[in-house]
Amino acid sequence: AQTVTQSQPEMSVQEAETVTLSCTYDTSESDYYLFWYKQPPSRQMILVIRQEAYKQQNATENRFSVNFQKAAKSFSLKISDSQLGDAAMYFCAYRHYNAGNMLTFGGGTRLMVKP
Amino acid sequence: NAGVTQTPKFQVLKTGQSMTLQCAQDMNHNSMYWYRQDPGMGLRLIYYSASEGTTDKGEVPNGYNVSRLNKREFSLRLESAAPSQTSVYFCASGRQGEETQYFGPGTRLLVL
Repeated sequence: AQTVTQSQPEMSVQEAETVTLSCTYDTSESDYYLFWYKQPPSRQMILVIRQEAYKQQNATENRFSVNFQKAAKSFSLKISDSQLGDAAMYFCAYRHYNAGNMLTFGGGTRLMVKP
Repeated sequence: NAGVTQTPKFQVLKTGQSMTLQCAQDMNHNSMYWYRQDPGMGLRLIYYSASEGTTDKGEVPNGYNVSRLNKREFSLRLESAAPSQTSVYFCASGRQGEETQYFGPGTRLLVL
């Protein structure tokens, strides 16, 4: 079975600085997707960024980028120019290519942004 | 376009009571999902429906039943609620063949 581990329960960053959230996963599959979801206090899960395992290029969405290391099974999220609105829980998630869209989530990292 | 909606937002039940959580999506998605979220843990899949008329168990199905009423609606039923089912429940939907899931706002359930 696949597992997703987020080793940082909490992180804090100064506004306008950069922060990196860690995620590792365990799978024997070669075709899969990885995601970062943001959950603000409103509780709604919002997709931040996704990465296809077959792509070597790291995904980027505005201030959010990932460092995908397939051999190391590592998928970290970098947030640049942090803003107060970035404060939230962040979840890393894995989905096997043929898993019927079933996601496996990590335990989450709470990000605090200091003004 | 409301996306994924869930009702109710919050519910308190007594042990042994039953209730149904409702979920609807207006994005014409084939796949729908029910997750639960507990403190310190990520979301865990309870049940999912790959298409209208089909449902399958996820990681933690015990104590729950689901109904895919039509393409838009996917309900989750607790027949006899237990305190261990106190959690936040999320419904999600997605287009078959695509990897992204879209989540509803969640239902907070407290079982006393």
